[in-house]
Formats: sequence, C-alpha cells, structure tokens
Amino acid sequence: DADVTQTPRNRITKTGKRIMLECSQTKGHDRMYWYRQDPGLGLRLIYYSFDVKDINKGEISDGYSVSRQAQAKFSLSLESAIPNQTALYFCATSDGQGYGYTFGSGTRLTVV
Amino acid sequence: QKEVEQDPGPLSVPEGAIVSLNCTYSNSAFQYFMWYRQYSRKGPELLMYTYSSGNKEDGRFTAQVDKSSKYISLFIRDSQPSDSATYLCAMILMDSSYKLIFGSGTRLLVRP
Repeated sequence: DADVTQTPRNRITKTGKRIMLECSQTKGHDRMYWYRQDPGLGLRLIYYSFDVKDINKGEISDGYSVSRQAQAKFSLSLESAIPNQTALYFCATSDGQGYGYTFGSGTRLTVV
Repeated sequence: QKEVEQDPGPLSVPEGAIVSLNCTYSNSAFQYFMWYRQYSRKGPELLMYTYSSGNKEDGRFTAQVDKSSKYISLFIRDSQPSDSATYLCAMILMDSSYKLIFGSGTRLLVRP
C-alpha cells in the first residue's frame, strides 16, 4: 500500500455540487497538506494541518474547507464546485524535517 | 512577483546532453532547498535536497545553491530519455508554518 493514499483518483462533477477528496497516510506524520496543481503554476498550498486540532489556511483557501478526522486522515471539500477548481489535487505529509515530504498520487478533478 | 520563479520550458535536449534547470527566489527566510521530479499523472517525488550554499552531488545529478544571489540550480549529466519529466524546485519557508513553496516547474524532454 502507498504511504499516502488519495481517493478518488479521478472525478468529474457538475458546477454547484459538493465534493470531498480524501487522504490517508501510514507515515505516522503529524503534518498534512493539500496542494493544487495547475499547468504553469506549480503546486499551490490550499490548507495545512499540524495536528487534529490545528488547521491553517494556505495561499488559495477560498472555496475550500478541510477536516482532520484523525492523525492519519485529512479531507478536502469543495462546498459548491466551480469550473476554475478543475485541477490536480495533491495531499502530502511531512515529518517536520526540511526534506521529509511525501506526496500522494493525486486526484484529477474536473468541474463541468 | 512570485516568491519562487522557474522557467516553465519546455526544454528539449538530445540524449547525453548536460541539462541545467534554475530557480530564483525572493525571500531570505527560505532555507531548505529541494528538487522534485514529476512524471505525467504522478505525484512529485523528491530528487535532491540541500540546506547550505554550495554543491551537492548524487550520481548524475548536482544541486547547487547560492544564497547570496537567491539562486538554485539542478544539473543533469548524461541525460537519458527516462529523465523526461517536469522538474519542480521547492523550498521551505522557515517561519511557524514551515510551508513548502514550489516553483512552477520546468518540463524536460530528452530525445533519444
């Protein structure tokens, strides 16, 4: 099994629908992150969490919310999806060291 | 101005060429510097990381950091078709967030 598992891998949804992307990890890391990747823009941070009770906004949090259900689970929700949220979404974990980030394989989301 | 600037390419080279990938940054609070490689439809995977100014070598790859100029580079010697991927520079912001900030990525194609 992968260290960081994202579900679903691909999703097509309609404008206005609520959708949840899920992430689970077996690394035992406290820190978890959600990133969004768009062509030519690299990965941009949406939300991050240092533990179950600590949730922080990243640079592009508008239109998104998150839930840290447990140390190993971190979900990203789009309350009312819009087409410009079409992107590749990555979950990552960190051990707090400079290089200790592990990424999931991503969720490709298309909002039509 | 973005905190981390990276030429998006694409960069096309013949097999065996030396490849130079570069990023510049504006914030002196960046400390750990990393290069990630991302194949199509996959998550980023850590290729190299450095902390201090200078060079770090790992096989065909050399990472170079010049903190005084706020400039980092990745060199690939004897490039192979299997090196074809998107290369993302990334760096840790050493504040309370400890966020990983990415460049936009450079797409590299190594022609057989």
